Amino acid sequence: QSVLTQPPSASGTPGQRVTISCSGSSSNIGSNTVNWYQQLPGTAPKLLIYSDNQRPSGVPDRFSGSKSGTSASLAISGLQSEDEGDYYCAAWDDSLNGVVFGGGTKLTVL
Amino acid sequence: EVQLVESGGGLVQPGGSLRLSCAASGFSFSHYDMHWVRQPTGRGLEWVSTIDTAGDTYYPGSVKGRFTISRENAKNSLYLQMNSLGAGDTAVYYCAAGADAFHIWGQGTMVTVSS
Repeated sequence: QSVLTQPPSASGTPGQRVTISCSGSSSNIGSNTVNWYQQLPGTAPKLLIYSDNQRPSGVPDRFSGSKSGTSASLAISGLQSEDEGDYYCAAWDDSLNGVVFGGGTKLTVL
Repeated sequence: EVQLVESGGGLVQPGGSLRLSCAASGFSFSHYDMHWVRQPTGRGLEWVSTIDTAGDTYYPGSVKGRFTISRENAKNSLYLQMNSLGAGDTAVYYCAAGADAFHIWGQGTMVTVSS
C-alpha cells in the first residue's frame, strides 16, 4: 500500500489530454513539493516534473503539473504513442522522514 | 555526458550481503545529494536511502539497520552496503542524484535474493 495514491491506469487517444491524480496527506503533499517521474517500457525512470510544476530541460511543454492542498495532478496534452508507460508521483514525507512514491499509473495510448 | 552507472548486483542467498556501487560522471558529484531507489519486477518504485552533501544519511524503516549508504567524493562514487538480505529485497536498484528531486538516474543493477 503506497503512501501516495494514484489510479492504477489511465488511457487516451492520440491528441487527447489526460490527467493523472496523486493524493496524499498534510505530512507529504500538503507540506512539500511534488515530483513526477516517467518510466517508459524497459527503461529507467526519468524526471518529468519537479517542485510541483517545473519542467526539466528537454521535457516538452505538453507535460504540466499542478497541486492543490494534499493532491497533485499531472496533465499530458496532445497525447502521443510514445507517452505510453508508467508515471509516478513522489514527495518528501515529514512524518516518515523520507521520500514516498505513489503506486504508479500505467498510461495506455489507444 | 551526465551519467550514473551502477554495478555490483547479482544473486545472493537469504541472509547474505552485497555491496552496490554507482559511478558518476559529467557533473559535480560532491555538490549533489545522492540516493538509491529500488523497483521489484513488475512493481512500483521504492526509495531506499539518501546521503546528502554533508554526509547525513536517511533510510526508510524497511531497510534501516540493514543497509548503509556512503559516498567517496574523490572517486565520484556512491555505495550501498546491504546486509541481512531477504526475498523482499529482490529488485532493480537505481542510483539517482538531485536535491529537490531525483534529477539524474542510472540504468539500474539487478539484485536477486534466493537460495
